[in-house]
Amino acid sequence: EVQLVQSGAEVKKPGESLRISCKTSGYTFTNYWITWVRQMPGKGLEWMGFIYPGDSDARYSPSFQGQVTFSADKSISAAYLQWSSLKASDTAVYYCARLRTDIRGGFDFWGQGTLVTVSS
Amino acid sequence: QSALTQPASVSGSPGQSITISCIGTSSDIGAYNYVSWYQHHPGKAPKLMIYEVNNRPSGVSNRFSGSKSGNTASLTISGLQAEDEADYYCTSYISSSAVVFGGGTKLTVL
Repeated sequence: EVQLVQSGAEVKKPGESLRISCKTSGYTFTNYWITWVRQMPGKGLEWMGFIYPGDSDARYSPSFQGQVTFSADKSISAAYLQWSSLKASDTAVYYCARLRTDIRGGFDFWGQGTLVTVSS
Repeated sequence: QSALTQPASVSGSPGQSITISCIGTSSDIGAYNYVSWYQHHPGKAPKLMIYEVNNRPSGVSNRFSGSKSGNTASLTISGLQAEDEADYYCTSYISSSAVVFGGGTKLTVL
């Protein structure tokens, strides 16, 4: 059974760093792209970018380029989303999802979401 | 890239059919047959309902169907049920290895 399990909710202060995780199981981690999606409070879903765990090839939405970093650890089948300096506007729920084929395909399995709250 | 345009809300009574539109451009929906639709119940993980315009993943009810004409994609839900009440989002692949979401549509089952 394919599963993506995300790390728990985080409360951080502006300027702090953060890494959230997406641990996968039930499939060959290195063969499928992982995407990250943001949902700000009361807003819709926004595509942040993809990473291919096989070679860590990462593609970022222009809106998120330079603001976040994707990474993957093949040894434990986990993907990560990282910030070096959080802002209040990063407050959102973040989802990871698996792409069903290549980067043109749909996102077929999703994590449960990680709520990140950034507040002084 | 600009978000795809969806109606903010649609509604229907149980048993009826509804259609949600997703308007793009010749650079996204009009250029590729890579439109997907997602159902999102608040507080839950989104669920893939349609991929590549009109394909249903295993386990998705055949009451859900997708189509595309020109720069507009559509999701139709027939035989509306209470559990269909949710937010629905379309996505399209666009060039330069990117994806764009629609703004989302809140479906209310009356």
